[in-house]
Amino acid sequence: NAGVTQTPKFRILKIGQSMTLQCAQDMNHNYMYWYRQDPGMGLKLIYYSVGAGITDKGEVPNGYNVSRSTTEDFPLRLELAAPSQTSVYFCASSPPGQGREGYTFGSGTRLTVV
Amino acid sequence: DAKTTQPNSMESNEEEPVHLPCNHSTISGTDYIHWYRQLPSQGPEYVIHGLTSNVNNRMASLAIAEDRKSSTLILHRATLRDAAVYYCILRDVTTGTASKLTFGTGTRLQVTL
Repeated sequence: NAGVTQTPKFRILKIGQSMTLQCAQDMNHNYMYWYRQDPGMGLKLIYYSVGAGITDKGEVPNGYNVSRSTTEDFPLRLELAAPSQTSVYFCASSPPGQGREGYTFGSGTRLTVV
Repeated sequence: DAKTTQPNSMESNEEEPVHLPCNHSTISGTDYIHWYRQLPSQGPEYVIHGLTSNVNNRMASLAIAEDRKSSTLILHRATLRDAAVYYCILRDVTTGTASKLTFGTGTRLQVTL
């Protein structure tokens, strides 16, 4: 099993550009999450999904959009990149064990907006 | 969400046990106690979790106070590869919630020779 795969690993965007961060998992997990981590800080939840077709906002959703058309994929879209979105982005998944199981995280996408 | 309090940093010598404390005085009956760690330049990694009883796995042990208001992650023999930020997180298991993880700033563990 590959676990949670994120692409790309690194990206530099210019202000106002758009991009999609890809996330795929092969563990048949219902729950998927997007977090961002700024330097020296803990992770903050951007969006999450409890299954295909269902998404909801987390703590810091502004400037981002998500979709969940399949169980495996959960892409994160940045429409108009801003310097404040410079961060490391982590995707995660978990089975629907309601807290009884751990999350599996991807290795992250390091994004710089200039 | 119930909050956790951890020391900002701790140091340990290699091959010695490490006890990482976590206070969660407002924990509710539906909160599981989860521990994750994040090695440099990597995503967080699940370590262990528990509800009321102490737990052991291949990575660590989790000791939970009887009143559940605190817990301790125990690394039995620290190695240089255990140097990481350790997060203690409460995860609500109430049916119908998405059971999200809320990260604090964690404890940065330094391991020296």
